[in-house]
Amino acid sequence: KNEVEQSPQNLTAQEGEFITINCSYSVGISALHWLQQHPGGGIVSLFMLSSGKKKHGRLIATINIQEKHSSLHITASHPRDSAVYICAAVGDKIIFGKGTRLHILP
Amino acid sequence: EAQVTQNPRYLITVTGKKLTVTCSQNMNHEYMSWYRQDPGLGLRQIYYSMNVEVTDKGDVPEGYKVSRKEKRNFPLILESPSPNQTSLYFCASSLGRIGQPQHFGDGTRLSIL
Repeated sequence: KNEVEQSPQNLTAQEGEFITINCSYSVGISALHWLQQHPGGGIVSLFMLSSGKKKHGRLIATINIQEKHSSLHITASHPRDSAVYICAAVGDKIIFGKGTRLHILP
Repeated sequence: EAQVTQNPRYLITVTGKKLTVTCSQNMNHEYMSWYRQDPGLGLRQIYYSMNVEVTDKGDVPEGYKVSRKEKRNFPLILESPSPNQTSLYFCASSLGRIGQPQHFGDGTRLSIL
């Protein structure tokens, strides 16, 4: 079993839909990192969180330390949100999930 | 502009020919790291550095070397590249390892024939 699991692996949705991507981990962490990888390959850091909730524009990230689970939400999704979203558990090591490929249809 | 610069962006080479991928950041970050990304395996950490002259192994260090002689530079060295090192490589930096978002370079696509 992978130490960091993401679901779903692939997600296609219509523009405007509310999107949720899940990340579960089985290791002890100091922080949970959400990344976005564009179709061209570049990687951008979205959030680093160790408790509670963070919001940036239409993106919201939450974490439940007791349940070892984090979610990334996108409100009012747009085709430009199409990308691969990756979570990473930051502890003694940095362990990445395999990513969620999101495709937003216009 | 704050950035992490990797060179080269693309390289095709042959087994056994030593190569270096350079990484430089202009943000005075203490923490730097190298990752490789492979289909089906995702991103994996190769080496990281907490500060000048301090480096440590990540999950997949075999076949790689790094050095951190200056704060801004963190080159990745493949002394004797092999085909299983064909991959997409990313360098990243941050103020610290915990609690600080990482800034990624644009990636280096290496093909070892």
